[in-house]
Amino acid sequence: DTAVSQTPKYLVTQMGNDKSIKCEQNLGHDTMYWYKQDSKKFLKIMFSYNNKELIINETVPNRFSPKSPDKAHLNLHINSLELGDSAVYFCASSRGRGGSGNTIYFGEGSWLTVV
Amino acid sequence: KNQVEQSPQSLIILEGKNCTLQCNYTVSPFSNLRWYKQDTGRGPVSLTIMTFSENTKSNGRYTATLDADTKQSSLHITASQLSDSASYICVVSAGYQKVTFGIGTKLQVIP
Repeated sequence: DTAVSQTPKYLVTQMGNDKSIKCEQNLGHDTMYWYKQDSKKFLKIMFSYNNKELIINETVPNRFSPKSPDKAHLNLHINSLELGDSAVYFCASSRGRGGSGNTIYFGEGSWLTVV
Repeated sequence: KNQVEQSPQSLIILEGKNCTLQCNYTVSPFSNLRWYKQDTGRGPVSLTIMTFSENTKSNGRYTATLDADTKQSSLHITASQLSDSASYICVVSAGYQKVTFGIGTKLQVIP
């Protein structure tokens, strides 16, 4: 039973392309997130949605656009991919807001390589 | 600026030995502190979560401590196993939304 699942796990694409990463959680959580983990293994939040409403939007290029069709899904669309976008992207979810002490459950990550 | 610093950056220990990982933070206002374990190629998994009033919390062979006065936390691993090889990430929350991740300590347990 996968709690937070994201697809694809691996993605290799050329510069300039547009790609999407999908995420679904079956935990009944209200809040979902996208994190980026760079080559130095530093995890940084990109977006957070609570009940389909955007609540955190860190300084991320507007080429990145999250979409939440319902509270169980949060997809990440990236336009005009650049080499610097190569990273591991983690989807996550929590009951309530992440800073309030609720455990954040992470997906297995999506390895994006831009060539 | 909210920061979370972890030490050491990496650590190699023999199987069966104990080790302690450190986390110092400047996050304010403090809400809670968590330790996550991230296996290579996997997503982080929560080990412990502590609020301001908690000094110690255990999860099996993992024991986390928190000193809110000095803004320090440690994660102690007892009788290490090969499966403990992973990155351990300290995460500190300020208020209800701001969550700051440390860069992690990479632990390798060797036979």
